[in-house]
Order: sequence, then structure tokens, then C-alpha cells
Amino acid sequence: RKEVEQDPGPFNVPEGATVAFNCTYSNSASQSFFWYRQDCRKEPKLLMSVYSSGNEDGRFTAQLNRASQYISLLIRDSKLSDSATYLCVVFDSFQKLVFGTGTRLLVSP
Amino acid sequence: NAGVTQTPKFRVLKTGQSMTLLCAQDMNHEYMYWYRQDPGMGLRLIHYSVGEGTTAKGEVPDGYNVSRLKKQNFLLGLESAAPSQTSVYFCASSYSNAGQPQHFGDGTRLSIL
Repeated sequence: RKEVEQDPGPFNVPEGATVAFNCTYSNSASQSFFWYRQDCRKEPKLLMSVYSSGNEDGRFTAQLNRASQYISLLIRDSKLSDSATYLCVVFDSFQKLVFGTGTRLLVSP
Repeated sequence: NAGVTQTPKFRVLKTGQSMTLLCAQDMNHEYMYWYRQDPGMGLRLIHYSVGEGTTAKGEVPDGYNVSRLKKQNFLLGLESAAPSQTSVYFCASSYSNAGQPQHFGDGTRLSIL
């Protein structure tokens, strides 16, 4: 079992739609969680950290469920510019960042 | 506002050749990392450094060496390139390793023929 698992997608949604991604992690002792965004042929960029209480940044909401060991990312009112690959990242108990393989999002007009 | 800078951006090598990838950061970060990204595999850690003069192995260190002689620079070396090392290489840095997010360079696309 992979330490961090994501649905690769692609998720095809129209502009204005709400879309959600989930990510599961296997190490229950994992400490910190992040969502990164990666555009085609570009470097990963931090989108947001994920806090235990959940957190929101504009149209983006991240939540953590420690009991079920998953994190989620909700995007409201999708824009064309949201098209990218979203990487789930977990800081595990071995002091390493572990990256998921990413979920691809395509927002169409 | 450079952040993390990688050189070169692209390179094509023949099997058996050697080369060095350079990563430089201007954020005074202690921690630096080298990753490779392959289709369907996600980012995998090659080597990392927790400070000037220190290096450690990551998940896939074989075939690579690194050096951190200066705090701002982290070099990745391929002594004898193999086709399996064809990949996109990313350097990253972070202030600490206490669950802090990492800042990435824009990558080096390396092809080994």
C-alpha cells in the first residue's frame, strides 16, 4: 500500500462547479499535511496547509480526518486557471515529506 | 526575489557521462532536498541536507551523490549516467524540517540516451 494515495483523475468539471478531492495516508503518526498545486511542466507550489480544525482560503477549503486518515480539498466556483494537478503531501513520523502522485483537474468553459 | 534556482534547465547526456546539477537558494534555509519526478511515481526524495556540510540519503539515492559545501548551494552529481535516470529533477528548501512546507526550484529536465 502506498503511503499517500490519490485518485489520479482527471476530474473534468465546468467553470463554476464545485469539486472535491480526497487523499488517504497510511501512517497514523503523520504530523502535518499540505496541498500543493503543480501546473504542467512546472514545479510544485504550496497551495495550503491542512489544519486539524480545517481551514479555508478563498474558494479553497481543506479538511483533515485523522480517525479515517484522509484529507480533502474542496474547490468552489472553479476557474479555468484552477486546471492543474493537485498533490497531497504528508509529513510523516520519519520526518519526511511524502508526496502523492497527484489528482489532475481540468476545468472547461 | 529568486527563491530556489536550478541550473541547468535542460540537459541531454549519453550513457556513462557525468554531470552536476546546481541548486541555489537565497532564503537562508537550513534544509535542502533533491527529488526526482517520474510519470505515475510522484516525487521521490534522492538526498537531502539538514545544514551546511551535512548530507543524508533519501528514498532513491543509488547512482547519485550530493554535496553542501555552502549553506545556499546543494549540488547533485551523476557519476555515470544511466537511461533509468532520465527524469525531471527538483530541488527544494525549507527553513526547518518540523513539518514546514518546502519551496521548489523550477526543475531540470534530464534525458539520458
